[in-house]
Amino acid sequence: QSVLTQPPSASETPGQRVTISCSGSSSNIGSNPAHWYQQLPGTAPKLLIYNNDHRPSGVPDRFSGSKSATSASLAISGLQSEDEADYYCASWDTSLNGWVFGGGTKLTVL
Amino acid sequence: EVQLVQSGAEVNKAGESLRISCKGSGYSFSTYWIAWVRQMPGKGLEWMGTIYPGDSDSRYSPSFQGRVTISVDKSISTAYLQWSSLKASDTAIYFCAREDSKSYSYWGQGSLVTVSS
Repeated sequence: QSVLTQPPSASETPGQRVTISCSGSSSNIGSNPAHWYQQLPGTAPKLLIYNNDHRPSGVPDRFSGSKSATSASLAISGLQSEDEADYYCASWDTSLNGWVFGGGTKLTVL
Repeated sequence: EVQLVQSGAEVNKAGESLRISCKGSGYSFSTYWIAWVRQMPGKGLEWMGTIYPGDSDSRYSPSFQGRVTISVDKSISTAYLQWSSLKASDTAIYFCAREDSKSYSYWGQGSLVTVSS
């Protein structure tokens, strides 16, 4: 059971928009930034969104993040087949004194 | 260019000891925390713990405290993850990652550890 809760799967057709949620608590997302990672099959995770809503250099602006209270969301617009991957949210947990991840959401582009 | 290069795949038997490595390059190795993250087959990411190479200060997730040891040799810019007695349940891919102001911007390629019982 992960500390951060994500839906196990999401799907949408190419060109459409999809949103992935991440629910936490006051000790993690509620008091620390949320971050998002993309993991393509057979590869290492890649930082997609940091500090709630910032994109690292090279990440397309189709990817966006937001945070409200103890939850965070990742939105992907103009879906492309190459977006098919696993997506993980993460945050520092002040009570656990360590990083916590969501269980991951497998995105399927239909 | 920042790079984290991990050691290769390992196949071991239960009860054996093992140490895997993560070598950093392209940046000041001593000044960034390095974490280890586990991914069991078909499962999600789990933060195991972290170490600061500058002074070897280490912290562990309660789930992994006492089960693994994280160490570092800053003279060769390398962090380690080791087990004294492997279990079949340790079979997983292990990633190292560098922590900075953006969380984990750089990741190693992963080391597959397979433990047979």
